[in-house]
Amino acid sequence: EAQVTQNPRYLITVTGKKLTVTCSQNMNHEYMSWYRQDPGLGLRQIYYSMNVEVTDKGDVPEGYKVSRKEKRNFPLILESPSPNQTSLYFCASRLAGAPNEQFFGPGTRLTVL
Amino acid sequence: DAKTTQPTSMDCAEGRAANLPCNHPTISGNEYVYWYRQIHSQGPQYIIHGLKNNETNEMASLIITEDRKSSTLILPHATLRDTAVYYCIVSSMEYGNKLVFGAGTILRVKS
Repeated sequence: EAQVTQNPRYLITVTGKKLTVTCSQNMNHEYMSWYRQDPGLGLRQIYYSMNVEVTDKGDVPEGYKVSRKEKRNFPLILESPSPNQTSLYFCASRLAGAPNEQFFGPGTRLTVL
Repeated sequence: DAKTTQPTSMDCAEGRAANLPCNHPTISGNEYVYWYRQIHSQGPQYIIHGLKNNETNEMASLIITEDRKSSTLILPHATLRDTAVYYCIVSSMEYGNKLVFGAGTILRVKS
Protein backbone atom coordinates (compact mmCIF):
# COMPACT_ATOMS: atom_id res chain seq x y z
CA GLU A 1 0.00 0.00 0.00
CA ALA A 2 1.33 3.41 -0.98
CA GLN A 3 1.82 5.44 2.15
CA VAL A 4 3.75 7.94 4.20
CA THR A 5 4.53 6.84 7.74
CA GLN A 6 5.59 8.93 10.69
CA ASN A 7 6.92 7.98 14.09
CA PRO A 8 6.14 8.58 16.80
CA ARG A 9 2.51 9.56 16.46
CA TYR A 10 2.43 11.21 19.86
CA LEU A 11 5.30 12.60 21.88
CA ILE A 12 5.54 14.55 25.12
CA THR A 13 8.97 15.86 25.94
CA VAL A 14 10.72 18.57 27.91
CA THR A 15 12.46 21.72 26.82
CA GLY A 16 15.95 21.15 25.47
CA LYS A 17 15.80 17.39 25.00
CA LYS A 18 16.77 16.57 21.43
CA LEU A 19 14.26 14.56 19.45
CA THR A 20 13.76 13.16 15.97
CA VAL A 21 10.50 12.51 14.18
CA THR A 22 10.93 9.99 11.39
CA CYS A 23 9.17 10.06 8.05
CA SER A 24 9.28 7.36 5.42
CA GLN A 25 7.53 6.89 2.06
CA ASN A 26 7.36 3.80 -0.15
CA MET A 27 6.41 5.48 -3.44
CA ASN A 28 9.89 6.45 -4.70
CA HIS A 29 8.93 10.12 -4.51
CA GLU A 30 11.60 12.72 -5.06
CA TYR A 31 9.91 15.54 -3.17
CA MET A 32 9.34 15.38 0.58
CA SER A 33 8.37 18.08 3.03
CA TRP A 34 7.43 18.82 6.61
CA TYR A 35 4.53 20.97 7.75
CA ARG A 36 3.35 22.08 11.13
CA GLN A 37 -0.26 22.88 11.91
CA ASP A 38 -1.34 25.27 14.63
CA PRO A 39 -4.82 26.60 15.48
CA GLY A 40 -5.52 29.79 13.58
CA LEU A 41 -2.30 29.53 11.57
CA GLY A 42 -3.10 26.59 9.34
CA LEU A 43 -0.51 24.34 7.74
CA ARG A 44 2.90 25.92 7.29
CA GLN A 45 5.88 24.36 5.55
CA ILE A 46 9.01 23.88 7.66
CA TYR A 47 11.51 22.28 5.26
CA TYR A 48 11.40 20.48 1.97
CA SER A 49 13.67 18.26 -0.06
CA MET A 50 13.80 17.93 -3.82
CA ASN A 51 15.86 14.74 -3.74
CA VAL A 52 18.62 12.96 -1.84
CA GLU A 53 21.05 15.42 -0.24
CA VAL A 54 18.97 18.40 -1.47
CA THR A 55 17.05 20.26 1.23
CA ASP A 56 15.79 23.80 1.61
CA LYS A 57 13.97 25.98 4.10
CA GLY A 58 10.25 26.45 4.00
CA ASP A 59 8.33 29.22 5.70
CA VAL A 60 9.07 28.40 9.35
CA PRO A 61 12.45 26.61 9.57
CA GLU A 62 13.78 28.15 12.79
CA GLY A 63 14.52 25.53 15.44
CA TYR A 64 14.38 22.59 13.04
CA LYS A 65 16.83 20.53 11.03
CA VAL A 66 16.29 17.88 8.38
CA SER A 67 18.37 15.44 6.43
CA ARG A 68 17.80 13.40 3.29
CA LYS A 69 20.39 10.67 3.09
CA GLU A 70 18.05 8.19 1.45
CA LYS A 71 15.22 8.82 -0.97
CA ARG A 72 12.57 7.21 1.21
CA ASN A 73 13.41 8.91 4.54
CA PHE A 74 13.17 12.52 5.65
CA PRO A 75 13.60 12.88 9.42
CA LEU A 76 12.76 16.09 11.26
CA ILE A 77 15.18 16.96 14.04
CA LEU A 78 14.56 19.31 16.94
CA GLU A 79 17.97 19.88 18.53
CA SER A 80 16.64 21.85 21.50
CA PRO A 81 12.85 21.80 21.55
CA SER A 82 10.96 24.70 23.08
CA PRO A 83 7.30 25.03 24.10
CA ASN A 84 6.51 27.09 20.98
CA GLN A 85 7.26 23.98 18.92
CA THR A 86 4.28 22.23 20.46
CA SER A 87 2.26 21.45 17.37
CA LEU A 88 0.85 18.85 15.00
CA TYR A 89 3.44 17.84 12.41
CA PHE A 90 2.84 16.33 9.00
CA CYS A 91 5.28 14.81 6.57
CA ALA A 92 4.35 14.72 2.90
CA SER A 93 5.75 13.37 -0.34
CA ARG A 94 5.05 13.49 -4.06
CA LEU A 95 6.70 13.03 -7.42
CA ALA A 96 8.70 16.07 -8.49
CA GLY A 97 7.09 18.46 -10.92
CA ALA A 98 3.41 19.21 -11.21
CA PRO A 99 0.65 18.48 -11.24
CA ASN A 100 0.99 15.69 -8.76
CA GLU A 101 -0.94 14.40 -5.82
CA GLN A 102 0.81 15.03 -2.53
CA PHE A 103 0.54 12.27 0.04
CA PHE A 104 0.51 13.16 3.72
CA GLY A 105 1.46 11.12 6.73
CA PRO A 106 -0.92 10.59 9.66
CA GLY A 107 0.67 13.30 11.78
CA THR A 108 2.77 13.55 14.92
CA ARG A 109 1.37 15.42 17.87
CA LEU A 110 4.26 16.93 19.80
CA THR A 111 4.03 18.56 23.20
CA VAL A 112 7.07 20.32 24.64
CA LEU A 113 6.80 21.12 28.34
CA ASP B 1 -0.04 34.04 1.36
CA ALA B 2 -2.82 31.83 0.10
CA LYS B 3 -4.08 32.95 -3.29
CA THR B 4 -7.61 31.72 -2.72
CA THR B 5 -10.67 32.74 -0.74
CA GLN B 6 -13.24 30.28 0.53
CA PRO B 7 -16.28 30.54 2.79
CA THR B 8 -15.45 29.79 6.40
CA SER B 9 -18.07 27.09 6.77
CA MET B 10 -20.96 25.38 5.02
CA ASP B 11 -23.62 22.86 5.92
CA CYS B 12 -24.98 20.13 3.70
CA ALA B 13 -27.68 17.52 4.17
CA GLU B 14 -26.59 13.92 3.94
CA GLY B 15 -27.22 12.49 0.48
CA ARG B 16 -27.36 15.89 -1.18
CA ALA B 17 -24.68 17.44 -3.34
CA ALA B 18 -22.16 19.64 -1.57
CA ASN B 19 -20.94 22.56 -3.66
CA LEU B 20 -17.85 24.27 -2.27
CA PRO B 21 -16.85 27.53 -3.97
CA CYS B 22 -13.40 29.02 -4.24
CA ASN B 23 -12.20 32.32 -5.67
CA HIS B 24 -8.72 32.69 -7.14
CA PRO B 25 -8.82 36.00 -9.03
CA THR B 26 -5.05 36.28 -9.54
CA ILE B 27 -4.42 32.76 -10.82
CA SER B 28 -1.70 32.56 -13.45
CA GLY B 29 -1.83 30.63 -16.70
CA ASN B 30 0.50 27.92 -15.46
CA GLU B 31 -1.21 27.41 -12.10
CA TYR B 32 -3.42 24.48 -11.29
CA VAL B 33 -6.34 24.41 -8.86
CA TYR B 34 -6.00 21.65 -6.28
CA TRP B 35 -8.47 20.51 -3.66
CA TYR B 36 -7.51 18.69 -0.49
CA ARG B 37 -9.49 17.86 2.60
CA GLN B 38 -8.56 17.20 6.20
CA ILE B 39 -10.72 15.10 8.46
CA HIS B 40 -10.30 15.99 12.12
CA SER B 41 -6.50 16.36 12.52
CA GLN B 42 -5.68 13.54 10.11
CA GLY B 43 -3.22 14.17 7.30
CA PRO B 44 -4.69 16.17 4.41
CA GLN B 45 -6.04 14.03 1.60
CA TYR B 46 -5.87 14.86 -2.09
CA ILE B 47 -9.23 15.09 -3.84
CA ILE B 48 -8.79 16.47 -7.34
CA HIS B 49 -6.97 19.04 -9.44
CA GLY B 50 -7.53 20.85 -12.72
CA LEU B 51 -6.06 23.45 -15.04
CA LYS B 52 -8.95 24.79 -17.10
CA ASN B 53 -11.20 21.92 -18.03
CA ASN B 54 -13.75 20.43 -15.70
CA GLU B 55 -12.53 17.27 -14.01
CA THR B 56 -14.23 14.32 -12.38
CA ASN B 57 -12.94 11.38 -10.42
CA GLU B 58 -14.42 8.85 -8.03
CA MET B 59 -14.49 11.34 -5.19
CA ALA B 60 -15.65 14.62 -6.70
CA SER B 61 -16.07 16.94 -9.65
CA LEU B 62 -14.21 20.17 -10.20
CA ILE B 63 -15.81 22.96 -12.19
CA ILE B 64 -13.50 25.81 -13.24
CA THR B 65 -14.96 28.96 -14.75
CA GLU B 66 -13.87 29.96 -18.22
CA ASP B 67 -11.81 32.90 -16.92
CA ARG B 68 -10.32 30.52 -14.31
CA LYS B 69 -10.90 33.03 -11.53
CA SER B 70 -13.15 30.75 -9.54
CA SER B 71 -13.97 27.09 -9.15
CA THR B 72 -16.42 24.80 -7.42
CA LEU B 73 -15.79 21.42 -5.87
CA ILE B 74 -18.82 19.17 -6.01
CA LEU B 75 -19.31 16.14 -3.79
CA PRO B 76 -22.28 14.55 -5.55
CA HIS B 77 -23.80 12.62 -2.62
CA ALA B 78 -22.36 13.87 0.64
CA THR B 79 -22.11 11.46 3.57
CA LEU B 80 -21.36 12.08 7.22
CA ARG B 81 -17.80 10.94 6.56
CA ASP B 82 -17.32 13.89 4.21
CA THR B 83 -17.42 16.26 7.17
CA ALA B 84 -13.98 17.90 6.99
CA VAL B 85 -12.05 21.04 6.23
CA TYR B 86 -11.73 21.50 2.46
CA TYR B 87 -8.77 23.42 1.08
CA CYS B 88 -8.67 25.04 -2.33
CA ILE B 89 -5.05 25.65 -3.40
CA VAL B 90 -3.52 27.29 -6.42
CA SER B 91 -0.03 26.14 -7.35
CA SER B 92 2.21 26.41 -10.40
CA MET B 93 3.90 23.77 -12.47
CA GLU B 94 7.34 24.92 -11.44
CA TYR B 95 9.70 22.27 -10.17
CA GLY B 96 9.59 22.26 -6.38
CA ASN B 97 6.31 24.11 -6.11
CA LYS B 98 4.76 23.91 -2.71
CA LEU B 99 1.16 23.75 -1.61
CA VAL B 100 0.14 26.78 0.44
CA PHE B 101 -2.82 25.96 2.65
CA GLY B 102 -5.27 28.66 3.65
CA ALA B 103 -7.98 28.38 6.27
CA GLY B 104 -10.25 26.27 4.07
CA THR B 105 -13.99 25.66 4.37
CA ILE B 106 -15.41 23.60 7.21
CA LEU B 107 -18.05 21.40 5.63
CA ARG B 108 -20.55 19.88 8.04
CA VAL B 109 -22.71 17.11 6.61
CA LYS B 110 -25.82 16.62 8.70
CA SER B 111 -28.26 13.74 8.82
